[in-house]
Amino acid sequence: AQRVTQPEKLLSVFKGAPVELKCNYSYSGSPELFWYVQYSRQRLQLLLRHISRESIKGFTADLNKGETSFHLKKPFAQEEDSAMYYCALSRSTGNQFYFGTGTSLTVIP
Amino acid sequence: NAGVTQTPKFRVLKTGQSMTLLCAQDMNHEYMYWYRQDPGMGLRLIHYSVGEGTTAKGEVPDGYNVSRLKKQNFLLGLESAAPSQTSVYFCASNTPTGVLNQPQHFGDGTRLSIL
Repeated sequence: AQRVTQPEKLLSVFKGAPVELKCNYSYSGSPELFWYVQYSRQRLQLLLRHISRESIKGFTADLNKGETSFHLKKPFAQEEDSAMYYCALSRSTGNQFYFGTGTSLTVIP
Repeated sequence: NAGVTQTPKFRVLKTGQSMTLLCAQDMNHEYMYWYRQDPGMGLRLIHYSVGEGTTAKGEVPDGYNVSRLKKQNFLLGLESAAPSQTSVYFCASNTPTGVLNQPQHFGDGTRLSIL
């Protein structure tokens, strides 16, 4: 069974501090991993996906197959990064997405 | 493009009432999904559809029915609402390209309260 685990429900960091949101997954095949962000009272939107290997809004995430992790990182947190972040997994041969329970990030001014 | 549009945005129902949530997308996406979002539970898939006229059960399908009569619309029905169905409902859509799944596009959500 596919599972996505986000161990931190709440995470607070000070502005300018580094931030890491953890995501671990369990899947026997080749997964596609995504990070979605939901700002207050807005719809979920894609932040980044592992195959793009790009940095969005200063965030990066590297797929570590050995550790089955896809942690989201940013070196210097900004107040506007405060939001709910969801890690999601999709099977490469399927069409279902499996979401983690989300991490609420608060950046303290 | 409006993207994914959900109606209504808010609704309060009494236990036992029925209602239908409408999701419309204008991106010509093949796949559409209904999720519910609950505190501490994240997003859970209720039902999904891979094309017009086809639907399939997701992780938490009980108490819900869906229909995809037109490619652009995906309806979620509650035949007899229960307080446990109080939640925020999100619709999403995407389309496959080769062997890769494209990211899902989400609607604004429908906040549903069952009294």
